[in-house]
Amino acid sequence: AQKITQTQPGMFVQEKEAVTLDCTYDTSDPSYGLFWYKQPSSGEMIFLIYQGSYDQQNATEGRYSLNFQKARKSANLVISASQLGDSAMYFCAMREVNNAGNMLTFGGGTRLMVKP
Amino acid sequence: DSGVTQTPKHLITATGQRVTLRCSPRSGDLSVYWYQQSLDQGLQFLIQYYNGEERAKGNILERFSAQQFPDLHSELNLSSLELGDSALYFCASSPQAGGTGELFFGEGSRLTVL
Repeated sequence: AQKITQTQPGMFVQEKEAVTLDCTYDTSDPSYGLFWYKQPSSGEMIFLIYQGSYDQQNATEGRYSLNFQKARKSANLVISASQLGDSAMYFCAMREVNNAGNMLTFGGGTRLMVKP
Repeated sequence: DSGVTQTPKHLITATGQRVTLRCSPRSGDLSVYWYQQSLDQGLQFLIQYYNGEERAKGNILERFSAQQFPDLHSELNLSSLELGDSALYFCASSPQAGGTGELFFGEGSRLTVL
């Protein structure tokens, strides 16, 4: 089974509107971290936001917020007031503490396109 | 700037050749991870080193190998290259081998095999 699932291969959003990128995950580990990364066309991976499995509140970083629903195993990224520079690939990822390698496992990504 | 340095940024080579990609982790980080990002496979974990020792292996081909040196920099060696090895190769580092905290990514090395 996929550990991280991003069901939206591509999305359009109008500039200045909010957009939600979906992410569901699968783990039996009680301790894990959830991440969102942005990858612009230049290729670098830019860290956006982090949510720990024991965090009581949803994480926020500027215009980014993570809608963490633990029981549903979802960690959706919300971008408010979209900007043209938000056009990029977005990856959801998970790191499990009891995974032997403790590496990040990535979803397939969502390509976000912001329309002017 | 994540503090992770990867060289070269771009590399073009021919099938059958061998290349070495280099990664310098953030100062003080002991753990290094290598990832491959190709168009059809997404981001795949290849291998992890911690303080010079191999800690975990992912979908790494036998033609590929890696090592981490005493100064903690790491090299990924790709040999007998095939067209399908064309990809963006990322190195990431973290302070320890465990935990759930952030991995810090380099800018990647883009390999093109012709």
